[in-house]
Amino acid sequence: DTEVTQTPKHLVMGMTNKKSLKCEQHMGHRAMYWYKQKAKKPPELMFVYSYEKLSINESVPSRFSPECPNSSLLNLHLHALQPEDSALYLCASSSEADTQYFGPGTRLTVL
Amino acid sequence: AQSVTQPDIHITVSEGASLELRCNYSYGATPYLFWYVQSPGQGLQLLLKYFSGDTLVQGIKGFEAEFKRSQSSFNLRKPSVHWSDAAEYFCAVVPYSGGGADGLTFGKGTHLIIQP
Repeated sequence: DTEVTQTPKHLVMGMTNKKSLKCEQHMGHRAMYWYKQKAKKPPELMFVYSYEKLSINESVPSRFSPECPNSSLLNLHLHALQPEDSALYLCASSSEADTQYFGPGTRLTVL
Repeated sequence: AQSVTQPDIHITVSEGASLELRCNYSYGATPYLFWYVQSPGQGLQLLLKYFSGDTLVQGIKGFEAEFKRSQSSFNLRKPSVHWSDAAEYFCAVVPYSGGGADGLTFGKGTHLIIQP
């Protein structure tokens, strides 16, 4: 089973809202990732967690706050977003230096 | 830093015809190489990967890719395309970092259109 699940599938939020994206995998992977994908563009790496510790932060604005409560879960907390943050947010997991498996994504719209 | 080039933004192929999507990478050593496919509004599905060994790798849905070190290429091929192959295709690399997790670097993608 190579399934990564993400909730919600769609999210619409105002610029003053606080919301969270969730990602879950049960493959025993110890690395988890957040990517952001704008329309007609490739995914761009935001964060990497390795063994539940943040190992890479690609200079992402602080209005995006990742959290890894345990080895199976990855959250992305959103606060005071801007309309330009509207995008598809993809979660992935892997066994360290190995294949990354992606979830279906959360389509975020910021009004 | 590594980079990936997919020279073709769009490719149109007739159903039943053969397909080749190009990918070139730039990296000091041999990276791990991947091809992913993405249907509109969906996540990325892994088609195939190359880490080492046989330079011709087989993937899902009848796809294959060939790693050519001398040309820094990892081109994707399919002998006969189906209408359901219409999608966005991404070539990606990740450096071999001795076991640590690292993000994928993607090419800009190739949009595949299938003509009936």
